[in-house]
Amino acid sequence: GAVVSQHPSRVICKSGTSVKIECRSLDFQATTMFWYRQFPKQSLMLMATSNEGSKATYEQGVEKDKFLINHASLTLSTLTVTSAHPEDSSFYICSARMGHSQTYEQYFGPGTRLTVT
Amino acid sequence: KQEVTQIPAALSVPEGENLVLNCSFTDSAIYNLQWFRQDPGKGLTSLLLIQSSQREQTSGRLNASLDKSSGRSTLYIAASQPGDSATYLCAVKQGEETSGSRLTFGEGTQLTVNP
Repeated sequence: GAVVSQHPSRVICKSGTSVKIECRSLDFQATTMFWYRQFPKQSLMLMATSNEGSKATYEQGVEKDKFLINHASLTLSTLTVTSAHPEDSSFYICSARMGHSQTYEQYFGPGTRLTVT
Repeated sequence: KQEVTQIPAALSVPEGENLVLNCSFTDSAIYNLQWFRQDPGKGLTSLLLIQSSQREQTSGRLNASLDKSSGRSTLYIAASQPGDSATYLCAVKQGEETSGSRLTFGEGTQLTVNP
């Protein structure tokens, strides 16, 4: 149980275009979802936290107008990278949790490799 | 602000060897600590989760210990196999009242087990 999927697994887009990444909890309802970014040989950096039906909370230094997060249902969150640039190329990983409380474990998706040319 | 450090950054061992990966964190007020495995280009697989009140957790050939007061955790892998080759990440969860119970990750230890 507790499976999180992401789509697409890989995407290549041209500079200036927007790309949407989906994160789904397949067998549970995710009250809270997290989006992380990982550069090569570096660790995961939290970008934002979203609770279903609420606006996402962004980490310091993350542009909310560039990385649009929508968590409209208990099983789906989307991350849209708007006006993508080569420096946005990275590995994006989502994570989902069943409840708001710290007692709930986070389950991670398989990641999406974004390459902006 | 919580900082998590993992040592060594990379480790290469022959098959069959027992090994220890280290993780340290600066703020001991954690809720739990978790060890993950990440294969190249893949997501995270949870290996072991230790609650702040626990000292260790075991799963098969893996044993993780936690010394919360000193801000340290170790992941012990017994009888290593080539299939254990991956990056191992340590992550700590803060309490809700401090930072929204977020996970803070270390930079990982890249393990290579040679046949």
